[in-house]
Amino acid sequence: AQSVAQPEDQVNVAEGNPLTVKCTYSVSGNPYLFWYVQYPNRGLQFLLKYITGDNLVKGSYGFEAEFNKSQTSFHLKKPSALVSDSALYFCAVRSRNSGNTPLVFGKGTRLSVIA
Amino acid sequence: GAGVSQSPSNKVTEKGKDVELRCDPISGHTALYWYRQRLGQGLEFLIYFQGNSAPDKSGLPSDRFSAERTGESVSTLTIQRTQQEDSAVYLCASSLAQGPVGEQYFGPGTRLTVT
Repeated sequence: AQSVAQPEDQVNVAEGNPLTVKCTYSVSGNPYLFWYVQYPNRGLQFLLKYITGDNLVKGSYGFEAEFNKSQTSFHLKKPSALVSDSALYFCAVRSRNSGNTPLVFGKGTRLSVIA
Repeated sequence: GAGVSQSPSNKVTEKGKDVELRCDPISGHTALYWYRQRLGQGLEFLIYFQGNSAPDKSGLPSDRFSAERTGESVSTLTIQRTQQEDSAVYLCASSLAQGPVGEQYFGPGTRLTVT
């Protein structure tokens, strides 16, 4: 069975500081990994995905994520946080063997960037 | 281009009534997904349509929930005899049939409140 863990319900960071939102996964075989962001009263927006190749993936709005196979992690990072980054962030996984089946999502991490 | 749209954006209904939620996927997207997001929680998979294949209904929480999709276009999620625990945001997503690589594009959701 596939699963995603986001160990932090809430992350607080000061504006201008680096941010990290953690994600670990469990999947049979190799994974495809995704990050989505949800702003208040909005649907989920795709940020970035890891498919293959370079373990460091760059996405929208200056976000990046690093795939670490040995630690089964895919943490989301940004060098300098903005107040406008405050939102709910979801990590998701899909096995490479599972076709176009639904993504399995973590429970989400609420990021608050304080001015 | 047009994204995934959902209607209504908000629905308030009395316990015991039936409701229908509508999703218009992105044109050309053969896969369509319904998720439920309860307050403060992550995404819960409900049902998945892929082209003309039989839908994956494994996530539907009870037989009060059903969904239909006309070809590769509009989908309707129906909840019969609504209960207060059905109160949630119902999210629809679509994706191209690219196998496991393709990301899902989400609509803004329908916020259902059962009183």
